[in-house]
Amino acid sequence: AQSVSQHNHHVILSEAASLELGCNYSYGGTVNLFWYVQYPGQHLQLLLKYFSGDPLVKGIKGFEAEFIKSKFSFNLRKPSVQWSDTAEYFCAVRGSYNQGGKLIFGQGTELSVKP
Amino acid sequence: DVKVTQSSRYLVKRTGEKVFLECVQDMDHENMFWYRQDPGLGLRLIYFSYDVKMKEKGDIPEGYSVSREKKERFSLILESASTNQTSMYLCASTLDRHASTGELFFGEGSRLTVL
Repeated sequence: AQSVSQHNHHVILSEAASLELGCNYSYGGTVNLFWYVQYPGQHLQLLLKYFSGDPLVKGIKGFEAEFIKSKFSFNLRKPSVQWSDTAEYFCAVRGSYNQGGKLIFGQGTELSVKP
Repeated sequence: DVKVTQSSRYLVKRTGEKVFLECVQDMDHENMFWYRQDPGLGLRLIYFSYDVKMKEKGDIPEGYSVSREKKERFSLILESASTNQTSMYLCASTLDRHASTGELFFGEGSRLTVL
């Protein structure tokens, strides 16, 4: 069965610090990978996604993620965080041909950025 | 923009009550999903549907049922609510199971408290 593991439950950073959130998945076939963000009181929204091609993908608000197939990883990065990045971040995986297009989500990482 | 609307943002119910959570999407999406979100557990898939009157169990279907009579509407039903069903419920939709995007669009969530 597919699964997703996010290494950090809660990360606390100061503004301008660099961010890396870990994500590992287990799935034997071709995958689509996603990072979603949930700002306080808001709905989940897509940060970035990977389907194929360049393993380094860029998303909104300066975020990027790198797909490393050999490590089954899709870590999220941002060179310099802002207070407004305070949110919960979810990694998700989808087998390319799985039924219904369902996503399997990780446990989430809560990011707190101190001004 | 895709809009996924959940009818109730906050509900308080008593143990044993029947609960209906309604979700409507306005972009003619084929696939719809119900997840529950709990701290430290991320999002877990309850049920999904890839066509009218079609439904598939997700990872945690026990205690829930669903209804999809019209393409735009997907309802989650708790036949007899229990305290362990206190949670945030998220509805999502995506274009179709074979779409290359695979992005899920989420509603704002329904926070259910069962007393």
